[in-house]
Amino acid sequence: EAGVAQSPRYKIIEKRQSVAFWCNPISGHATLYWYQQILGQGPKLLIQFQNNGVVDDSQLPKDRFSAERLKGVDSTLKIQPAKLEDSAVYLCASSLEAWQGLYEQYFGPGTRLTVT
Amino acid sequence: QKEVEQNSGPLSVPEGAIASLNCTYSDRGSQSFFWYRQYSGKSPELIMSIYSNGDKEDGRFTAQLNKASQYVSLLIRDSQPSDSATYLCAVNPGSGGYNKLIFGAGTRLAVHP
Repeated sequence: EAGVAQSPRYKIIEKRQSVAFWCNPISGHATLYWYQQILGQGPKLLIQFQNNGVVDDSQLPKDRFSAERLKGVDSTLKIQPAKLEDSAVYLCASSLEAWQGLYEQYFGPGTRLTVT
Repeated sequence: QKEVEQNSGPLSVPEGAIASLNCTYSDRGSQSFFWYRQYSGKSPELIMSIYSNGDKEDGRFTAQLNKASQYVSLLIRDSQPSDSATYLCAVNPGSGGYNKLIFGAGTRLAVHP
């Protein structure tokens, strides 16, 4: 079974530029998550999709971050404009479902973003 | 108050010893608990999940959950240098029925030969 796919693996941009990350979840997984992991910290949830609907975006900085999952499969996370503090690893994860907390989340390899 | 707390370490153990990693959480309604292993420069890898009080064993790993005391631990028996990594504790707070995970900052484990 193929795992969660992400691209690109690395990205270096200047502040105020825009960037987009792509994620393809494990086949059959209805729930997709985007996390931000800053060096030395645990992952922090940015947004969670159930199929193509958002179930939690409470920690997404909506003035600069956006995400979509139009067909309920792959997803794109965008940052525009980027700030220095956005330098982090952006992790995508997926699970079978989202209800009752019983479904394990599996992570992709991540995208390491450096904003200069 | 942090929602999920872990000692940052490093926890240093000799090869062959038992490594004990601990995690406490603040939300008493939390339903499910996970341990992830993260090697430097890599993404988190799920190694254990536990949902009920007590112990759950999988190979060299044992997860222990005590909901009354709000702590969860991970024991690694016969520790190997390849176990050297950061171990992340993740908790589903249970509110809203969604599968949201709150992560601790991780404990760095170093197993020396």
